[in-house]
Amino acid sequence: AQKITQTQPGMFVQEKEAVTLDCTYDTSDQSYGLFWYKQPSSGEMIFLIYQGSYDEQNATEGRYSLNFQKARKSANLVISASQLGDSAMYFCAMREWNTGNQFYFGTGTSLTVIP
Amino acid sequence: EPEVTQTPSHQVTQMGQEVILRCVPISNHLYFYWYRQILGQKVEFLVSFYNNEISEKSEIFDDQFSVERPDGSNFTLKIRSTKLEDSAMYFCASSEGGSVETQYFGPGTRLLVL
Repeated sequence: AQKITQTQPGMFVQEKEAVTLDCTYDTSDQSYGLFWYKQPSSGEMIFLIYQGSYDEQNATEGRYSLNFQKARKSANLVISASQLGDSAMYFCAMREWNTGNQFYFGTGTSLTVIP
Repeated sequence: EPEVTQTPSHQVTQMGQEVILRCVPISNHLYFYWYRQILGQKVEFLVSFYNNEISEKSEIFDDQFSVERPDGSNFTLKIRSTKLEDSAMYFCASSEGGSVETQYFGPGTRLLVL
């Protein structure tokens, strides 16, 4: 089974609108971390936001927030007030406390912001 | 702000040749990683490194791959005899701790094997 599933290969959003990028995960660990990274066309991986499995509050970082629904095993990224510079690939990733240090990545969502 | 750096940014090599990809992790980080991303695909874990030894590796990381921390700052990935399918973007990452700590990625090295 896939550890991280991102079902939206591509998304479009109007500039200044909000957009939600979906991510579901699969783990039997009680302790894990969920991450979102942005990959612009230049290729680098930029860390956006982190949510720990024991965090009761949804993580927020500026215009980014993570809608964490533990029972549903979902960790959707919400980008508010989209900007043209937000156009990029977005990857959801997970690390598990008990099963090593690696990140499991999803297949990514390509976001295009339309002026 | 400290960042992970990687050199070279691009590397073209002939099949069968050895390549060494270099990384300088963030200075106070203790855990180091290599990932690869074949064009258009997801990022895949290769190996993690802590306390001067491999702590975890994936099935991709076979005998043609090796990692080394030759001095206090560099972290290298060597591919001994490159194959066409090794063409990918290779990312180095580092984290302060293990477990669920955030990993910070370098800008990547784009490797093309001809």
